[in-house]
Amino acid sequence: DTAVSQTPKYLVTQMGNDKSIKCEQNLGHDTMYWYKQDSKKFLKIMFSYNNKELIINETVPNRFSPKSPDKAHLNLHINSLELGDSAVYFCASSQEGNYGYTFGSGTRLTVV
Amino acid sequence: AQSVAQPEDQVNVAEGNPLTVKCTYSVSGNPYLFWYVQYPNRGLQFLLKYITGDNLVKGSYGFEAEFNKSQTSFHLKKPSALVSDSALYFCAAPFGTYKYIFGTGTRLKVLA
Repeated sequence: DTAVSQTPKYLVTQMGNDKSIKCEQNLGHDTMYWYKQDSKKFLKIMFSYNNKELIINETVPNRFSPKSPDKAHLNLHINSLELGDSAVYFCASSQEGNYGYTFGSGTRLTVV
Repeated sequence: AQSVAQPEDQVNVAEGNPLTVKCTYSVSGNPYLFWYVQYPNRGLQFLLKYITGDNLVKGSYGFEAEFNKSQTSFHLKKPSALVSDSALYFCAAPFGTYKYIFGTGTRLKVLA
């Protein structure tokens, strides 16, 4: 069983489109995250949710809207995609108080 | 400001030789420090962590890391490198409860 699963793995889309990335974890963790890895491999947090509540929004444009229907799911919807949104997006989860993360395998988003 | 630094973009080492991947930190209080590894087209995988206790921490795949408070360093080491260790390595530290800061990553290349 995959612990943190993201879909899709690859996403190619045109500028201006709206797309979603889904994430699910079966670890029973309380906290879930979205990270963006750019072309230079830098990792930057975008959002974190604890028990479905938004905890961190790291100055991400409001075209990005996370949604957590329950603590096992954290989806990322992106409106009006721009070329600069091209990156690998990683979902992760952790148990509060245990700072180790478990990462998903990533979604490579390419905006053309 | 809290930060984690990896001074080397790339480290090359011959197979069978010892390897070191460097990390220095600037965090307030007692630091929690982590190492993660990213293989091509994969998510990050946890290698090891330092919370408290022994300064030498052992982790997965034969890796270990040495916490040095006076030098504010947490270097990753392995006595004998394998070609399969070639990957991107990230040092990380929690910044509050719900966020990590990552270093910029070091690409390790083990030459046969």
